[in-house]
Amino acid sequence: AQSVTQLGSHVSVSEGALVLLRCNYSSSVPPYLFWYVQYPNQGLQLLLKYTSAATLVKGINGFEAEFKKSETSFHLTKPSAHMSDAAEYFCAVSDGGGSQGNLIFGKGTKLSVKP
Amino acid sequence: DTEVTQTPKHLVMGMTNKKSLKCEQHMGHRAMYWYKQKAKKPPELMFVYSYEKLSINESVPSRFSPECPNSSLLNLHLHALQPEDSALYLCASSQAPGRRQETQYFGPGTRLLVL
Repeated sequence: AQSVTQLGSHVSVSEGALVLLRCNYSSSVPPYLFWYVQYPNQGLQLLLKYTSAATLVKGINGFEAEFKKSETSFHLTKPSAHMSDAAEYFCAVSDGGGSQGNLIFGKGTKLSVKP
Repeated sequence: DTEVTQTPKHLVMGMTNKKSLKCEQHMGHRAMYWYKQKAKKPPELMFVYSYEKLSINESVPSRFSPECPNSSLLNLHLHALQPEDSALYLCASSQAPGRRQETQYFGPGTRLLVL
């Protein structure tokens, strides 16, 4: 079975500071991992995904994530936060069981950016 | 173009009304999904269509009735809803069903309020 755990339901950073959003996964098969962002009253937008091609994955808007098998982690980072990064972020793993391809989401982390 | 469109953006309905939500994509995707999202929660999968056939129903009450008239269009028919069904309803699509590395592209959602 697959699952993801996002540590911290709310993260607050100052503008220009490092953003670190944590995601740990559990998977009985090699995982495919995704980070999505959701701005208020909008749908989900893919930031980046890991599909085993490279452990460091670069995404849109300056975000990147590193897949660490030994730590079962896929944390999302951005060197310098912008006010426009304030949103809800979801980590997800692709189901490898009977419902292959379906996404299993973490509970989400709300990112606040202070001026 | 990676756009999934949803109409209407907002919907208010009484418990005796019948209404429909519409989702459209023109990316040639053969998997389409309905999700329900309550405030401050991740999306919950409701239905999956693979090649225009219903492949997954996550034990959704019969007052929600999905329909896939063709490969580009997905509807969700609503009847006799309850106030607790008020939520953001998200549609998504992906290129091929059952492939774990596929990205799901989300629409902007329909905000539903049941009075």
